[in-house]
Amino acid sequence: SQQGEEDPQALSIQEGENATMNCSYKTSINNLQWYRQNSGRGLVHLILIRSNEREKHSGRLRVTLDTSKKSSSLLITASRAADTASYFCATDAPPGAGSYQLTFGKGTKLSVIP
Amino acid sequence: EPEVTQTPSHQVTQMGQEVILRCVPISNHLYFYWYRQILGQKVEFLVSFYNNEISEKSEIFDDQFSVERPDGSNFTLKIRSTKLEDSAMYFCASSGTGGFFGNTIYFGEGSWLTVV
Repeated sequence: SQQGEEDPQALSIQEGENATMNCSYKTSINNLQWYRQNSGRGLVHLILIRSNEREKHSGRLRVTLDTSKKSSSLLITASRAADTASYFCATDAPPGAGSYQLTFGKGTKLSVIP
Repeated sequence: EPEVTQTPSHQVTQMGQEVILRCVPISNHLYFYWYRQILGQKVEFLVSFYNNEISEKSEIFDDQFSVERPDGSNFTLKIRSTKLEDSAMYFCASSGTGGFFGNTIYFGEGSWLTVV
């Protein structure tokens, strides 16, 4: 099965530093999405990158996708204490697979220290 | 910004009882989903629903589970006879399209179910 697996599992940085989280998956995908989850709360959609895209930006977020390595990275620049959360990548199946479910990784727990 | 809303936010129920979790998806969306997250574990897919029928379900979604769209706005998940292992956060989600055309899926805040 295709799975997003993030690393590191936990990351602690100082406010103002950049945070990089990585995600690897096993099989072909259509899209890869990144979500944020504050403790005990819902999943907030951050960014979607399609399999034919290599890089995408949204504010302080930068996502890259390398389909040859089956990996993606999420970079948060100039981190803030409010960025403290768990970050998940989620993949879906390629076109024609007949499946639209997302497969989530275990997430990276980011702590930004003020 | 439109959002997916879920009720209740937290429910405690006795083992064997029936539970209904309710969701109002984003109004112009066509695809609806339920996912769950057991404490400390991954978010897992349960079921997707399109055009008033289940389009896909996982192994978790056994005969104890059912979904319904009783009217034009609500989407419900029913667990017929709850077990201890059903304790989890249940997320409703919706998307405007499925699959290829940039399937951004928006999630609600979740319903935290505790079975005792």
